Amino acid sequence: GQSLEQPSEVTAVEGAIVQINCTYQTSGFYGLSWYQQHDGGAPTFLSYNALDGLEETGRFSSFLSRSDSYGYLLLQELQMKDSASYFCAVTKLIFGTGTLLAVQP
Amino acid sequence: NAGVTQTPKFRVLKTGQSMTLLCAQDMNHEYMYWYRQDPGMGLRLIHYSVGEGTTAKGEVPDGYNVSRLKKQNFLLGLESAAPSQTSVYFCASRYAPTLGDTQYFGPGTRLTVL
Repeated sequence: GQSLEQPSEVTAVEGAIVQINCTYQTSGFYGLSWYQQHDGGAPTFLSYNALDGLEETGRFSSFLSRSDSYGYLLLQELQMKDSASYFCAVTKLIFGTGTLLAVQP
Repeated sequence: NAGVTQTPKFRVLKTGQSMTLLCAQDMNHEYMYWYRQDPGMGLRLIHYSVGEGTTAKGEVPDGYNVSRLKKQNFLLGLESAAPSQTSVYFCASRYAPTLGDTQYFGPGTRLTVL
């Protein structure tokens, strides 16, 4: 079967760095995506990794290790507006259950 | 561009009633998807379409049917609603599932089945 595992909750303070991990088990892997979802809103695309390594987009970076079936999302210089749920997803559109990030002042 | 739109935004049904959720996109995307999201959970794929006239089952297709008669529209039908189908339904689209292709989501439809 296919599955993804993420921590259910993470808490951090404004200005800090936080890492949200994702381990996956899937057949036919093509890449790992990350989405952000604010409470009551629609998911929005953040990043995609098809190859091993780090992809950087502003304050957000995403990492993939295909050999370890593992990836993470790194959020730097945390802001209050980053409080949201973060989902990893693999090709064929299987989503993890999400990590609720709470940013505290 | 309106992006991905969904109608209705909210709906309350009684058990056994039927309804259709409409998803429309104006980005000329080939691929369209229907997900459901239950409280505190991730998204689960119900059905998807890789082009006009095609549909395929996702993770949780039972109790739902879909149609893609026009490229820009993807309809999700509930023939006989059950309380277990109370959820938030999201539609999404993308041009094609190539490397790095972004998936765009609609605002969601909040459905309650009593």
